[in-house]
Formats: sequence, structure tokens, C-alpha cells
Amino acid sequence: AQKVTQAQTEISVVEKEDVTLDCVYETRDTTYYLFWYKQPPSGELVFLIRRNSFDEQNEISGRYSWNFQKSTSSFNFTITASQVVDSAVYFCALSEASGTYKYIFGTGTRLKVLA
Amino acid sequence: SAVISQKPSRDICQRGTSLTIQCQVDSQVTMMFWYRQQPGQSLTLIATANQGSEATYESGFVIDKFPISRPNLTFSTLTVSNMSPEDSSIYLCSVPRGTSGPVYNEQFFGPGTRLTVL
Repeated sequence: AQKVTQAQTEISVVEKEDVTLDCVYETRDTTYYLFWYKQPPSGELVFLIRRNSFDEQNEISGRYSWNFQKSTSSFNFTITASQVVDSAVYFCALSEASGTYKYIFGTGTRLKVLA
Repeated sequence: SAVISQKPSRDICQRGTSLTIQCQVDSQVTMMFWYRQQPGQSLTLIATANQGSEATYESGFVIDKFPISRPNLTFSTLTVSNMSPEDSSIYLCSVPRGTSGPVYNEQFFGPGTRLTVL
């Protein structure tokens, strides 16, 4: 069965601190895709990254970095030098290639960055 | 990237009534998805809407409660029928990016419809 677990319900950090959001997934498929989305208070979902199961290379984009480890079924997201504008709910999601492209979302982590 | 609009952006409805939510995309897409996000919760897929065929509903969602139309490749509607306060949620539509390959798995989401049922 597919499942995405985001154990951290809410995290508060002070501006400029680094913060890591955890994501653990379960799937029987060998080909799958993992995603991170940001949902700011305005409500829209903003796409951040897609990771393919066959590509374990970590990725860095500005202050954002992602650590994908198949051995532990984890896809963690780190924000370096956090800013108040990073305050949002962050969702990790899984899509299996054998499925119908539907997403299984984690429960989300609410990040509060305090000035 | 696809531009997706939803109408209405928000509504307050009375128990027992129905509301139809529209989703318009600026390009032709084969698949459209409808999600529900209950207050403080994650997103749950309601159904997949393919043009020219019946929508495919996920476990726990039925056509009588959430009828979906998909008259063409750029438009879909979701109706929330016989509403109760438990239906108060944000309803979002989404479409895949691109037409094939891994990017097809990336989804663009509409801005959502915030529904409150009294």
C-alpha cells in the first residue's frame, strides 16, 4: 500500500535557522515519483520539486535542498537560513508510475519562521 | 505551465443544498483531478476525470455525492450534493504537467474553492 508520513506536525524556528522537514514513504512500485509542495496562507499549492525513484542524486536550489534515500524510504527537505516568507504548510507526495498518476499526500508540516 | 482557474473562489452554503465548482485550464489536458482538503488536513483525491468517460472515484467517494462532468479537454465541474457541515473544505482541481514522461506526474493545482456549509 502507498503511504506518505510526515511525522512533524508543526515546527517553529527563528529566522536564519536551518530546518529539515521529514518525509517517509511506502510503496511497492519500483518506479515512482516524490514531490514537495508548499501551501502558503493564501492556500494555493506551489510545486517545489519532483524526484524520480531511479535518481537518488540530491538536489540544491538556492536555500532549498532535498535528500532522497531509497534505503530508508525518505525524502527530506531542508531550508537553509530560513526566512519569514518560508512560513507555510509543506506537503510531501508520492505518485506511482503504475497507477493513474494520482498523488498520495502526507499530512503536511506547518513551518513557522519567527522574526 | 498550465494556468488553472476555479469558480467560485469561496462560498457559504446552507445544509442540504448543492454547489457546482468549475475548473478551467488554459490548455487541453487528458486527465483532471479533484481533491478535497478538509480544515487543517491533507489533500485527498476525490476522483479522476477523463474527457469522454465516466470519472473514476476513490474509495469513500461516490458519484451521487460528488458528480463530475468533463465536457471537453479544458473544463470540468465537481458538484457537492446535499451538503452538510462535514463537506466544509477546500476543493482543488489539478492537471498533469506535459503530456508524457516523468513530468506528466507533476501536477499543477488550481487556486481552490473554499466551501463553508452552515
